[in-house]
Amino acid sequence: DAGVTQSPTHLIKTRGQQVTLRCSPKSGHDTVSWYQQALGQGPQFIFQYYEEEERQRGNFPDRFSGHQFPNYSSELNVNALLLGDSALYLCASSPTSLYTDTQYFGPGTRLTVL
Amino acid sequence: AQSVTQLDSHVSVSEGTPVLLRCNYSSSYSPSLFWYVQHPNKGLQLLLKYTSAATLVKGINGFDAVFKKSETSFHLTKPSAHMSDAAEYFCVVSEWSSGNQFYFGTGTSLTVIP
Repeated sequence: DAGVTQSPTHLIKTRGQQVTLRCSPKSGHDTVSWYQQALGQGPQFIFQYYEEEERQRGNFPDRFSGHQFPNYSSELNVNALLLGDSALYLCASSPTSLYTDTQYFGPGTRLTVL
Repeated sequence: AQSVTQLDSHVSVSEGTPVLLRCNYSSSYSPSLFWYVQHPNKGLQLLLKYTSAATLVKGINGFDAVFKKSETSFHLTKPSAHMSDAAEYFCVVSEWSSGNQFYFGTGTSLTVIP
């Protein structure tokens, strides 16, 4: 059973560009959350997708947007990149259930903005 | 509102000696509490999870956590450190009322000295 997968592994962009990161959830999971982890910090919640809609959002600007597809996979888009967007972006998946709220994380995408 | 404070940014122990990583949390309702481990250039791996009832939570790789509601603490322990335990450890709180959004601490870096 494959776990959460993310692509690409690494990405280098320049300021002002746009980037798309991809995530495939663990089998049987229908909820996808995205986190930003700056160097030396704990992950910060960006947003969560369920049934192809953004269900919750953290304190991130509108430059950060996402999408969830019918197969539950998800994309994170960041427009007008800033140097401060350089970070490890983590995707996490979980099943929708009253009985479990554990999130399973992918290996992340390392984004460097020059 | 939920929050997590990891009391030590760095902990150093000798191989074979006990490990204690401290975490205090703030939560309005009955929270779920987690410990995750992150090895260099890897994603986050779940060590253990607390939901209710038991004050001692058993995890993987010999780790346990002690939940104390009166102290709002959820400290991670291991009786004997191994070299492979060297990593970054994150304490996490979430609540069903907030859609299971994860709130991470800033992390504790564990060094194991041979």
